Formats: sequence, C-alpha cells, structure tokens
Amino acid sequence: QQPVQSPQAVILREGEDAVINCSSSKALYSVHWYRQKHGEAPVFLMILLKGGEQKGHEKISASFNEKKQQSSLYLTASQLSYSGTYFCGTESYSRNLIFGKGTKLSVKP
Amino acid sequence: GAVVSQHPSRVICKSGTSVKIECRSLDFQATTMFWYRQFPKQSLMLMATSNEGSKATYEQGVEKDKFLINHASLTLSTLTVTSAHPEDSSFYICSARKAGDRLGGEKLFFGSGTQLSVL
Repeated sequence: QQPVQSPQAVILREGEDAVINCSSSKALYSVHWYRQKHGEAPVFLMILLKGGEQKGHEKISASFNEKKQQSSLYLTASQLSYSGTYFCGTESYSRNLIFGKGTKLSVKP
Repeated sequence: GAVVSQHPSRVICKSGTSVKIECRSLDFQATTMFWYRQFPKQSLMLMATSNEGSKATYEQGVEKDKFLINHASLTLSTLTVTSAHPEDSSFYICSARKAGDRLGGEKLFFGSGTQLSVL
C-alpha cells in the first residue's frame, strides 16, 4: 500500500527550512528517502531502519517513528540544489519498496 | 560505488512493435531487480520484482504477458514491452539490490531510466 506524503508541494526561499512527512498504514521495516530531478533517476538520500532513528546528510536529516509508522525529512537552510521531487519509499517485511506520490520542492533565490 | 546501467535511455517506436529495455549491474551481483514505471509528474509505481533464475512477481494490475521480465543472470534483467501502444508511453526505471542483502534495509541502486514513446 502506497505511503502518504505531505505536503504535495513546497516553495521556499534560499535559506529557509522545510519538513516533508511520510506515513504508512503497514508495519515498516525501513523507510528510504530519494530525491529526483526532472528526467533523471532518483538519487538516494538515506535509509532509516530503527524506530526513532535519526540520520543526517549535510543539512538534510530524517527521523523514523516506527510505532506511528511515520518518517519525516528535514531540510534546513535550503539551497537551490535542493529543488526536486522528494520520494519516501517504505519497505515492509515483504521487502518490496513502495514509493509515495512525492513532494515537489522548489527553492527560489 | 555500485552502478546500474540501463539501456536505451530513450526509444521511439511505432504502435504494435515490441521494445526491450536492459538493466545491468556493472560492478555487483544483483539477486533482485525492481522495475518501476513513472508517468509525468507522478510517483514511481512498482511494476514487478525480478529474482535471478525465477519468474518475476508482478504487482496487481500489471499484465505479465504485456511486460515480459527476464532475469537470466545476476547482473542482467530485461523488460520487454510487447505490442506497445501509445498508453504504454512512460518513463521506465530499473533498480537493483545487491546480492547478500538478507536483512533488508539496503538502498536500491537505480538505472538512469528509459523514456518510451509509442507513436
């Protein structure tokens, strides 16, 4: 079952922060975050495995609440290069990775 | 780093023809490969999971006779769109999971995608 992402779209000025949420109705083994630019393949950002785990990648970090079956991606001090569509992918115990509908992030100068 | 090569990157074909898309893991063995389809401004929809040496597992609503998947070796999976029609036009992306990943939670390595346009 497809995870639900929110918001659908975000417009930021350079330097602003954003949070993207991802929730699932199924028990999760892991949550993946990817960023995709138009016409390109998704680029891996991070995976979260344990409940409550937080991981960081430059100024992009994420948390995973296993109990609530939710994950959030935090983008701080956004840069122009952060623009793109962010997908969360949820992996249940069947091992298939199902992606949410994506959140389009636009960072303006 | 692990590299997945996908070819062709773009194909234009006439309605009724078949198109084969290749997905190769260049520097690792992939026991599992996934095929996704993406319409413009939409999400990556999982079509099928391909395991080396066995039949692919298709997601609900995906016609297995229409989208033939072959995973003949640990480094190659192919997707053949048979008798393509304009509604099959889409961006197709493969991804691979490294062999030896039994615990899950390992990232997928994506190919660069194939833009299929059926006239």
